[in-house]
Amino acid sequence: KAGVTQTPRYLIKTRGQQVTLSCSPISGHRSVSWYQQTPGQGLQFLFEYFSETQRNKGNFPGRFSGRQFSNSRSEMNVSTLELGDSALYLCASRPSEIAKNIQYFGAGTRLSVL
Amino acid sequence: AQSVSQHNHHVILSEAASLELGCNYSYGGTVNLFWYVQYPGQHLQLLLKYFSGDPLVKGIKGFEAEFIKSKFSFNLRKPSEQWSDTAEYFCAVNRNTGFQKLVFGTGTRLLVSP
Repeated sequence: KAGVTQTPRYLIKTRGQQVTLSCSPISGHRSVSWYQQTPGQGLQFLFEYFSETQRNKGNFPGRFSGRQFSNSRSEMNVSTLELGDSALYLCASRPSEIAKNIQYFGAGTRLSVL
Repeated sequence: AQSVSQHNHHVILSEAASLELGCNYSYGGTVNLFWYVQYPGQHLQLLLKYFSGDPLVKGIKGFEAEFIKSKFSFNLRKPSEQWSDTAEYFCAVNRNTGFQKLVFGTGTRLLVSP
């Protein structure tokens, strides 16, 4: 099985722009979560989607949004970029069954905001 | 709110030395516990997990961890380190529900010198 695929791998944007990141989960996984990884704050939960519905949201401003499509692929959008949004954005997918509550992570998208 | 503490931010060991990385969490309910590893330039990979049952769990590459409920701890151990274990290690916890949100510790950077 292919792993979690995130595109693009690297992005450079300027302040005020917006950006969309994409995540394709492992085949058969319906749950997708997003995390932000920075040297100062570590790994922080952004949101979780399951069957196209947002089920949980972390403590991030409304500039951060996401969605999930019927094929379980997910996108994350950040509007009005700020310098502090520079980070590695990780996507993780999980099987639907609670008993298999293991998240599999993609390689991430490294976003640099100039 | 849940939180995870990793007491060692940087650890330097020689090959063949033993490793123990501390992890404490704060949450009174039933939790699932994980250790993830991030090798340089690679994505987060699951080392081991605890859901229930035997509190001593074994993972990949000779790692093990012990869940001590009374101490809210889930320390990672390995009896003999290898240079290839150089990586960053993250302890994480989530609630034993259908929700996926993982709360991560700040990570421990391990350098194993040959």
